[in-house]
Amino acid sequence: GAGVSQTPSNKVTEKGKYVELRCDPISGHTALYWYRQSLGQGPEFLIYFQGTGAADDSGLPNDRFFAVRPEGSVSTLKIQRTERGDSAVYLCASSPGHHRTDTQYFGPGTRLTVL
Amino acid sequence: KQEVTQIPAALSVPEGENLVLNCSFTDSAIYNLQWFRQDPGKGLTSLLLIQSSQREQTSGRLNASLDKSSGRSTLYIAASQPGDSATYLCAVSIYNQGGKLIFGQGTELSVKP
Repeated sequence: GAGVSQTPSNKVTEKGKYVELRCDPISGHTALYWYRQSLGQGPEFLIYFQGTGAADDSGLPNDRFFAVRPEGSVSTLKIQRTERGDSAVYLCASSPGHHRTDTQYFGPGTRLTVL
Repeated sequence: KQEVTQIPAALSVPEGENLVLNCSFTDSAIYNLQWFRQDPGKGLTSLLLIQSSQREQTSGRLNASLDKSSGRSTLYIAASQPGDSATYLCAVSIYNQGGKLIFGQGTELSVKP
């Protein structure tokens, strides 16, 4: 079946612009996660959705970052007034929802470059 | 605060060699520990998941162990092949914090033919 997909695969923007990154999870998965990976580092947690609600947004670095999942499926990560330090690969993952036992399935990521 | 460390950061071995990758974590209150593989420019592929109550998991040439009390896990790769070349990441799922994962920095493995 289809895995987690993310669009766009690459995004180049200018400092100060607004960007949206999209994640399509595996059908039926209730849990959705966003992570950010800088070069040479492991992914860092940003936000976790269970259904439509953000269950944990403690990883969002500041109020320029926001994410939504209005229908409990597709999620959009929104970044306002982008800064060069936001450049990274943004990864999305989904799981069936039983967090004690679940494997997370990752998408290919969106590489964001802020010039 | 949970911290995950992986040693070594990079490893180069000849084809056919058995090897061990190490992962350590500071807080033993975890749900599970996962090992992932990441190819350049790609997302993460889950290799093995060990629940906190388990000691090890095996899949083909891969074996992962977990010693929760000492905060350590190892990934053993038998008879390495050039196709095993990738970055290997370990991650822990923290108790009582949903399913969010805390990752190590990864070990970049190169298997030479």
